[in-house]
Formats: sequence, structure tokens, C-alpha cells
Amino acid sequence: GQQVMQIPQYQHVQEGEDFTTYCNSSTTLSNIQWYKQRPGGHPVFLIQLVKSGEVKKQKRLTFQFGEAKKNSSLHITATQTTDVGTYFCSGNNAGNMLTFGGGTRLMVKP
Amino acid sequence: DGGITQSPKYLFRKEGQNVTLSCEQNLNHDAMYWYRQDPGQGLRLIYYSQIVNDFQKGDIAEGYSVSREKKESFPLTVTSAQKNPTAFYLCASSMLGVYNEQFFGPGTRLTVL
Repeated sequence: GQQVMQIPQYQHVQEGEDFTTYCNSSTTLSNIQWYKQRPGGHPVFLIQLVKSGEVKKQKRLTFQFGEAKKNSSLHITATQTTDVGTYFCSGNNAGNMLTFGGGTRLMVKP
Repeated sequence: DGGITQSPKYLFRKEGQNVTLSCEQNLNHDAMYWYRQDPGQGLRLIYYSQIVNDFQKGDIAEGYSVSREKKESFPLTVTSAQKNPTAFYLCASSMLGVYNEQFFGPGTRLTVL
């Protein structure tokens, strides 16, 4: 079945440093969604990307969808302790279900 | 106050016992999902339903069963056939179609003693 891979699995950063997580699929995706799960919490929707090469920003977060629609990235500028959590991507390859990546756990040292 | 609720938050069971996890939503969503999350792992789909009285197996359905008798409710039963049931279980709902965001409940943490 469809697989969506995320790297890295874990990332420790010093507060103020930037952070990037990458999402890769072997098949073309119709759309990518990104979710954030705080420690002890549940995933919360952040954003959706649909168009090839699409870039969206939410304050310090920048989301990109690759030109081939097989990969995506989430970049956080100048991390804060409130950014701590696990970031998941989920993608669909024209089926009827989203497949979640394994997530990237971000830890921020104050 | 619209949302999706799961109960209980923590659940302990003895080996060999079946247990049912509750999931209710008042968002008028047609689609509902059950995911399993193990420590440090991603979300794996157990079952999903897009309409009342119909549901489909996900990637790891063995040892689990579901029902969808009402639009608002999608309970999950973890049977004694599930070899390693200790995990965090998340229920989600959405409007139909993969372009719609999923709304997650707070989760149930199941521990088998």
C-alpha cells in the first residue's frame, strides 16, 4: 500500500534555531495535510497543500509541496518552546484515505 | 459545543478480556476513523466508516471490531485476539473526502495488565 515517510524521527534544537521536517512518498499525492500533536495530546490540523509547488505560511511556519507532488516540508523559523511536539504529514494518492507519516518529534531546549 | 469525545481516558484490562472504547461526535461528520499510536510512532489506521452501517478495515484491523449504528457513534472493541493491545487509541472524524481535515478526540490510553 501507499507509504509516507518522514525524516528525521527526532530533532533536538536550541530555542531560536530553525527546524525542518520532510515528508516523502513513492507515489504522486493529490494533497498533503500537516498536523501537530503536543505531548500527551491529540493531533490538530495545521494546513493542507494541494497544488504542485505550493508554499503556505503561518507566522513562523512555512509549508511546501514539491513540484512532483511526492514530497513536502515544514520549516519553523526561530523555534520557541511552544513549538514542542510531534509533527505529522498525511498524504493521499488518489485513493479514498489519507496515510500518515511516522512523525517528527521536535524538542526545544530553552 | 461541537467536538469529538472519547471515553474513558485511561483503561486497564486483564489479558484475555474484550474491551470497548467509546467515540462520539456532534460535528455531523459522515466519516469516522480509529487509529492506534504506539510510543514514538505514527498513526496506524485500524478501521474507518464513511456511512452508517458500513465500515472498512484499515492497515491493522486484526484483533479489533467496530460498529456504526448511528452517525454520531463509532465504538471500537479490542478483542482478546489482539496480541499486543497496549497503546494509545485515537478516534477522528471528518466530512467525506480526503481534502477535508480530520478532527481528533483526546484519545484513550489502554494498558493490558
